[in-house]
Amino acid sequence: AQSVTQPDIHITVSEGASLELRCNYSYGATPYLFWYVQSPGQGLQLLLKYFSGDTLVQGIKGFEAEFKRSQSSFNLRKPSVHWSDAAEYFCAASQAGTALIFGKGTTLSVSS
Amino acid sequence: DADVTQTPRNRITKTGKRIMLECSQTKGHDRMYWYRQDPGLGLRLIYYSFDVKDINKGEISDGYSVSRQAQAKFSLSLESAIPNQTALYFCATSIGRGGLYDEQFFGPGTRLTVL
Repeated sequence: AQSVTQPDIHITVSEGASLELRCNYSYGATPYLFWYVQSPGQGLQLLLKYFSGDTLVQGIKGFEAEFKRSQSSFNLRKPSVHWSDAAEYFCAASQAGTALIFGKGTTLSVSS
Repeated sequence: DADVTQTPRNRITKTGKRIMLECSQTKGHDRMYWYRQDPGLGLRLIYYSFDVKDINKGEISDGYSVSRQAQAKFSLSLESAIPNQTALYFCATSIGRGGLYDEQFFGPGTRLTVL
């Protein structure tokens, strides 16, 4: 069955430190891949997406993600975290004609 | 104005009551979705509609029904609400019409509490 896994439920990072959130997918073929962010009390906002081509994808708010086919991964990174990045992050995947499948999310806390 | 709106934003109801959550969009998208979010479980798909005449069950459709009244409107009903349907509900849309991907745009959510 198709699935998306986010191995880390909760991560705490110091402000200014780098961040990497992990995402693995299980699909028969490479799906379309997305990262969404949900700030407290808010809906979901798309950070970035990957469909094909360059495996390093740039998104909004200084985020980037790298697609690695060999590892079935699509990890989200940010070089320097700001306190306002504290939120819940969701990785999601789909194939043409199918609905999105979400991971269970990773909650990011930022310490000062 | 927001592209995807949900009403109500918050609702408290009692077990056994019928509840309708409404979603409207001004994006002109063909596809609409309903998800529920529970802590630690992420978002799970309840129903989705690829056009007005197309309704499909998602992962957790039991206890829910939907109506696609128009391209812009997609309602979710709980025929007889029960406490484990207490959750945050999101509506989403995507372009469809042969679009290469399903980038989805989310509404602000409806927080439903069933007592």
